[in-house]
Amino acid sequence: GNSVTQMEGPVTLSEEAFLTINCTYTATGYPSLFWYVQYPGEGLQLLLKATKADDKGSNKGFEATYRKETTSFHLEKGSVQVSDSAVYFCALKQLQGAQKLVFGQGTRLTINP
Amino acid sequence: GAGVSQTPSNKVTEKGKYVELRCDPISGHTALYWYRQSLGQGPEFLIYFQGTGAADDSGLPNDRFFAVRPEGSVSTLKIQRTERGDSAVYLCASSLTGTLYGEQYFGPGTRLTVT
Repeated sequence: GNSVTQMEGPVTLSEEAFLTINCTYTATGYPSLFWYVQYPGEGLQLLLKATKADDKGSNKGFEATYRKETTSFHLEKGSVQVSDSAVYFCALKQLQGAQKLVFGQGTRLTINP
Repeated sequence: GAGVSQTPSNKVTEKGKYVELRCDPISGHTALYWYRQSLGQGPEFLIYFQGTGAADDSGLPNDRFFAVRPEGSVSTLKIQRTERGDSAVYLCASSLTGTLYGEQYFGPGTRLTVT
């Protein structure tokens, strides 16, 4: 079946550090890939997405590239801020059939000033 | 505009009781989803509605769980004979369409605690 595996957390970085959160997936066909973010006390929000191989999703300084050859969608940011502290979820959705999102387990990120 | 709302925000109930969780989707969104998020885990799919009908209920864990959306807008997730293992945050999401590219907008969730 479809599944998403994320880098285990928690991750703690200093402000302005470089961030990578790894995400790999298993799916039949070519799913769409997503990163969602959950800020403290708030609901899940879509951060970025990519719908086909080699697409790069970007938003708020975050980027992720859909790599079919390595079945990965790693999240990166060049210089993190304290306000980026949140839980990040990688997810996929199949092109055919069910419209459900399949999520990874989440990675808690804490940025210290 | 208003986002997805869920009520109650917190629900504490005793084992064996019946609970109802409500979701108000974004106006005009035809697709509605329920997910369950256990502590330290990502959300897991429960059920998907397209309009009034359940298009996919493959994620419902057993027959104690049931959901309705009678008028194609508000949805209610119903859990009978609750068990301690049902304790989780129940998330609702809606999207304009149920297509691949329809972004899902999530509500704040209902935290259910079964004692």
